[in-house]
Amino acid sequence: QKEVEQNSGPLSVPEGAIASLNCTYSDRVSQSFFWYRQYSGKSPELIMSIYSNGDKEDGRFTAQLNKASQYVSLLIRDSQPSDSATYLCAVNRADSSYKLIFGSGTRLLVRP
Amino acid sequence: DTGVSQNPRHKITKRGQNVTFRCDPISEHNRLYWYRQTLGQGPEFLTYFQNEAQLEKSRLLSDRFSAERPKGSFSTLEIQRTEQGDSAMYLCASSFISGGRDTEAFFGQGTRLTVV
Repeated sequence: QKEVEQNSGPLSVPEGAIASLNCTYSDRVSQSFFWYRQYSGKSPELIMSIYSNGDKEDGRFTAQLNKASQYVSLLIRDSQPSDSATYLCAVNRADSSYKLIFGSGTRLLVRP
Repeated sequence: DTGVSQNPRHKITKRGQNVTFRCDPISEHNRLYWYRQTLGQGPEFLTYFQNEAQLEKSRLLSDRFSAERPKGSFSTLEIQRTEQGDSAMYLCASSFISGGRDTEAFFGQGTRLTVV
């Protein structure tokens, strides 16, 4: 079992729709969760972090965390063609010993 | 300080040659990560440092790979006797850890290695 799992996609949504990206993780001790966006040929760019159960909103992005289900998601409202990219989920234990581990990413395609 | 900086951005080398990459993290960050990424995959953990101490090295990493962070500032990643399978994007990221909690990690632009 991979430590961080994501559906590779592509997830295709029409412009203006809500895109929902999901991620599950295997280590219950994980306490810090991050979403990165990566355009083709570029390095990952941090878009959201979440540390507590519940929702965290930042502009058109909402991260949702459910530690009991070991599940974290990213919602993108009013999707734009410029949101088309690969979205990477990353998890880290909030201690001094654990490394930041990434999923393989979900490719999002927003159709004009 | 404008962020994490990696050099070179691109490197083409012949099989069997040694290559070295450099990463300059965000200045106040004490943690530095190296990842490798191939097409269609997420970043694969290679190693990481807290200050100058190398805390962990991936079991998948062969002895041809070595990394240093001599003064807890910049880091270098060396690959000896390169193989075609080493062709990938090498990513560096940095973060700050305090009180047992790691903050958000930021990536450099990456170094794309092509072994011919």
